[in-house]
Amino acid sequence: DAGITQSPRHKVTETGTPVTLRCHQTENHRYMYWYRQDPGHGLRLIHYSYGVKDTDKGEVSDGYSVSRSKTEDFLLTLESATSSQTSVYFCAISGEVTKNIQYFGAGTRLSVL
Amino acid sequence: GNSVTQMEGPVTLSEEAFLTINCTYTATGYPSLFWYVQYPGEGLQLLLKATKADDKGSNKGFEATYRKETTSFHLEKGSVQVSDSAVYFCALSIQGAQKLVFGQGTRLTINP
Repeated sequence: DAGITQSPRHKVTETGTPVTLRCHQTENHRYMYWYRQDPGHGLRLIHYSYGVKDTDKGEVSDGYSVSRSKTEDFLLTLESATSSQTSVYFCAISGEVTKNIQYFGAGTRLSVL
Repeated sequence: GNSVTQMEGPVTLSEEAFLTINCTYTATGYPSLFWYVQYPGEGLQLLLKATKADDKGSNKGFEATYRKETTSFHLEKGSVQVSDSAVYFCALSIQGAQKLVFGQGTRLTINP
């Protein structure tokens, strides 16, 4: 998985609780992304980062926030989880030269009950 | 806007059959086109890509040709194997942009 570690790999939580997912890379790539994968929707971009402390919204950012204080770590936070946020979450990275070729982590399966 | 449409799945074939998974796109600029594959329990990995019209991407026996006139990037393989069972995603990015737009994915199952 190109030096990308997502944690946790599985999580079950209750509605209304905060949840933080972590993506850690060892490739020193500039760009990092968070996607969610749902049946019939493919992958949808939640947030992305183009450098330390530089982030922007994707197409489904409501209810999510991100932070990137170091090149290697990109955190996705659900401030108050809802059942509609039950999904599989993927982190991806890409480099400066081939920025449109993304490398994906193994995913985090999140269930909000 | 930019979007990708893939053929509806799931697709089930017998081993050694010919495979086509259709992909068409809408883009405001001149996109690069990609096929990603997701094996069970794993993240996506790049299968092949094409960056301009008439380019052919190929890898592991899979091919796709960038057809600007039909805005298509269909994935083909002449003889599929059980190990090709996976979900396949077509995607595009606009030149100079780092974001990918994905199709909804097509689940492929190959029976021995």
